[in-house]
Amino acid sequence: KAGVTQTPRYLIKTRGQQVTLSCSPISGHRSVSWYQQTPGQGLQFLFEYFSETQRNKGNFPGRFSGRQFSNSRSEMNVSTLELGDSALYLCASSRLAGGPFQETQYFGPGTRLLVL
Amino acid sequence: GENVEQHPSTLSVQEGDSAVIKCTYSDSASNYFPWYKQELGKRPQLIIDIRSNVGEKKDQRIAVTLNKTAKHFSLHITETQPEDSAVYFCAARGGGFKTIFGAGTRLFVKA
Repeated sequence: KAGVTQTPRYLIKTRGQQVTLSCSPISGHRSVSWYQQTPGQGLQFLFEYFSETQRNKGNFPGRFSGRQFSNSRSEMNVSTLELGDSALYLCASSRLAGGPFQETQYFGPGTRLLVL
Repeated sequence: GENVEQHPSTLSVQEGDSAVIKCTYSDSASNYFPWYKQELGKRPQLIIDIRSNVGEKKDQRIAVTLNKTAKHFSLHITETQPEDSAVYFCAARGGGFKTIFGAGTRLFVKA
């Protein structure tokens, strides 16, 4: 099976712009989670989607949003970019998630976003 | 809110020695505890995980222990090798569809 893929891999934007990142999960995986990774803050949970529904959201401002399509592919959008949004954005997929059916999350390679 | 504390932040060991990384979680509903290894410039890779109905799990040189009462879980690496050098993250996941990660431990294995 192909692994989790993310596009683009690298992105340079300027303050005030918006950006859309894409994540394609492993075939058959219905849960997609997004994380922001920075050197000082580690991996911070952004949101999780399952069957096109956002089931949880982390402590990020409303400028961060996401969605999931019927084929389980997911996108996240960041509007009005700030310098502090520079980070590696990782998505991870799993077959099921929640309750007693916790399954392994597999990470994509990430999108490295630089905001100038 | 949910929190996972991880210690130490940096760990340096001699090749062949053991390494232990400890984590504490706050959400008593957490029932799944994965450990990830992230090498420089690469994605996090799962190395071992444990579910709340198990107290210990071992896979070759790697073992994880879980104490639900104390909300502690630990990663043990024996006979460390230079290729074990990486950043290790613990995480906790419960019924809230949310995985909370520790801040990471940078492990250096000196040859």
